Amino acid sequence: ETGVTQSPTHLIKTRGQQVTLRCSSQSGHNTVSWYQQALGQGPQFIFQYYREEENGRGNFPPRFSGLQFPNYSSELNVNALELDDSALYLCASGPSLGVGNTIYFGEGSWLTVV
Amino acid sequence: GESVGLHLPTLSVQEGDNSIINCAYSNSASDYFIWYKQESGKGPQFIIDIRSNMDKRQGQRVTVLLNKTVKHLSLQIAATQPGDSAVYFCAENGGATNKLIFGTGTLLAVQP
Repeated sequence: ETGVTQSPTHLIKTRGQQVTLRCSSQSGHNTVSWYQQALGQGPQFIFQYYREEENGRGNFPPRFSGLQFPNYSSELNVNALELDDSALYLCASGPSLGVGNTIYFGEGSWLTVV
Repeated sequence: GESVGLHLPTLSVQEGDNSIINCAYSNSASDYFIWYKQESGKGPQFIIDIRSNMDKRQGQRVTVLLNKTVKHLSLQIAATQPGDSAVYFCAENGGATNKLIFGTGTLLAVQP
């Protein structure tokens, strides 16, 4: 158990809809990052939040957005869903910014877009 | 651009043998590397990490080796067990954010 919890575990959405995924970080961790993992691929960095502000973003369009709350939990929102958005979405938390901090992942949310 | 890749997509070993999973990285400025294990339907699980100022680090049954000259990373698993069957990813972490750059993974299959 990493202490990182995600919800929902599985969901199915229709193309064009919007989805919100949630994450509770490990106790004491103030950074949260989100990754997209397509089937058979390694996780791809979407963005990171530190103290409620976005701090680093990968190559994802603006329809991928997020929030971090004062208790360091986080949401990932995806608008105008496309079929290619079908993937496992992983949340990861770390104790602070900077190189060398162990980053722990949750079990992920499986999103299927039909 | 930056990339972290693996030499072998699939590795099949006999139970009790030692396993070696290899990884190449392209960014010579990277200074922190992590190995994750991902079982089917689960999130990546931290195994072991290494900073660039080290060339070897040992954990319980696992050893990570770093060769900065050829930008190569390896994970050695001693006395491989059926529970070690999973996909293994190396990841690179550098810079001010905690951004991890993953390779595509190696599937380790342990034969009884």
